[in-house]
Amino acid sequence: DAGVIQSPRHEVTEMGQEVTLRCKPISGHDYLFWYRQTMMRGLELLIYFNNNVPIDDSGMPEDRFSAKMPNASFSTLKIQPSEPRDSAVYFCASSWDRTQETQYFGPGTRLLVL
Amino acid sequence: DAKTTQPNSMESNEEEPVHLPCNHSTISGTDYIHWYRQLPSQGPEYVIHGLTSNVNNRMASLAIAEDRKSSTLILHRATLRDAAVYYCILKVENQGGKLIFGQGTELSVKP
Repeated sequence: DAGVIQSPRHEVTEMGQEVTLRCKPISGHDYLFWYRQTMMRGLELLIYFNNNVPIDDSGMPEDRFSAKMPNASFSTLKIQPSEPRDSAVYFCASSWDRTQETQYFGPGTRLLVL
Repeated sequence: DAKTTQPNSMESNEEEPVHLPCNHSTISGTDYIHWYRQLPSQGPEYVIHGLTSNVNNRMASLAIAEDRKSSTLILHRATLRDAAVYYCILKVENQGGKLIFGQGTELSVKP
């Protein structure tokens, strides 16, 4: 398996623009997680899905952020409109449907909002 | 959320053992102790996890105190490729797999 795939790997955009980050989880995994990492706040869980259904979105910073999982092999995290403070590395991770299973992380998308 | 405390940084010499401590005094009976590490410019990767007993795998060993209020990740022979940030995380059984990352310990390895 290719592991968790994220695209794009790097994104540079201007303030106010819409940004869409994409994630393909490992085939057969039932959980999908979105994290954000900054120097100031470290790694934060934004939202996670189980069987394509959002379970906990308490980490989503505000209404400008939205996430969807239309099927078991694809998820998006959208920021509209983007702001400079959204600049961060965004990671997607997936795991099997067992509480103690390990999470497998993608390589991340490095986002810079000018 | 259950909290862990780790030193901000540690140094090791190559080919020597490394003991990375973690305190989790508020751990509850069903919380698992997980360790992840993050190499520079990469996503975190799983290292090891345990509940009560000590655990070994090809990457490391996990020693868990009898009262479970602390644990130690042991790298038996550090290599330069082990330089990373190591995160100790309590995984709560009823929170569906959530990982709450702290600041971690940045391990540097000297040749």
